[in-house]
Amino acid sequence: EPEVTQTPSHQVTQMGQEVILRCVPISNHLYFYWYRQILGQKVEFLVSFYNNEISEKSEIFDDQFSVERPDGSNFTLKIRSTKLEDSAMYFCASRGSYEQYFGPGTRLTVT
Amino acid sequence: AQSVTQPDIHITVSEGASLELRCNYSYGATPYLFWYVQSPGQGLQLLLKYFSGDTLVQGIKGFEAEFKRSQSSFNLRKPSVHWSDAAEYFCAVGPYNTDKLIFGTGTRLQVFP
Repeated sequence: EPEVTQTPSHQVTQMGQEVILRCVPISNHLYFYWYRQILGQKVEFLVSFYNNEISEKSEIFDDQFSVERPDGSNFTLKIRSTKLEDSAMYFCASRGSYEQYFGPGTRLTVT
Repeated sequence: AQSVTQPDIHITVSEGASLELRCNYSYGATPYLFWYVQSPGQGLQLLLKYFSGDTLVQGIKGFEAEFKRSQSSFNLRKPSVHWSDAAEYFCAVGPYNTDKLIFGTGTRLQVFP
């Protein structure tokens, strides 16, 4: 069964560093998403992406964040200058028709 | 404001017992409703969804959920819980194009043998 994959599973970085989280969506899906879950809190929408552009973003998704689909398979989330409060689990999702399918997540720890 | 409330943070049941996880939503338009399950170290797996039609929907792993518009609820049920059902369960609501999903805070299910 096709699935969304994410790498790395765990990333530790120092405050102020740039990180890139990678996702490989399901191959025939056209809609892509990033969500995050701070420890103990709810899963929060960050951004949706379709046809090579952002279709919607949340207040959390400020200028420090960017997304890209650099090739036909990868979908990336970049955080330019990480802050302590960016520590969270980041989930990628993709959608074909109606349902969003989620990856296993990348745990980002900012020290 | 759009929101999802899962009143139960943690539920413990015995294996073989029935289960009901509560979900209430506040949404301005016709909601699309979902239940996801997250096992430790795993991503969010879709259990079931409601878009329209029959208000009782069946999902994977023997789960079902009932949409009650008058109560703004979408409770998840299972008649007989298995130890492997221990996980965190998330209710979510989204618009017609199911883009921006809004999640509840989750209910952690613990199953005793």
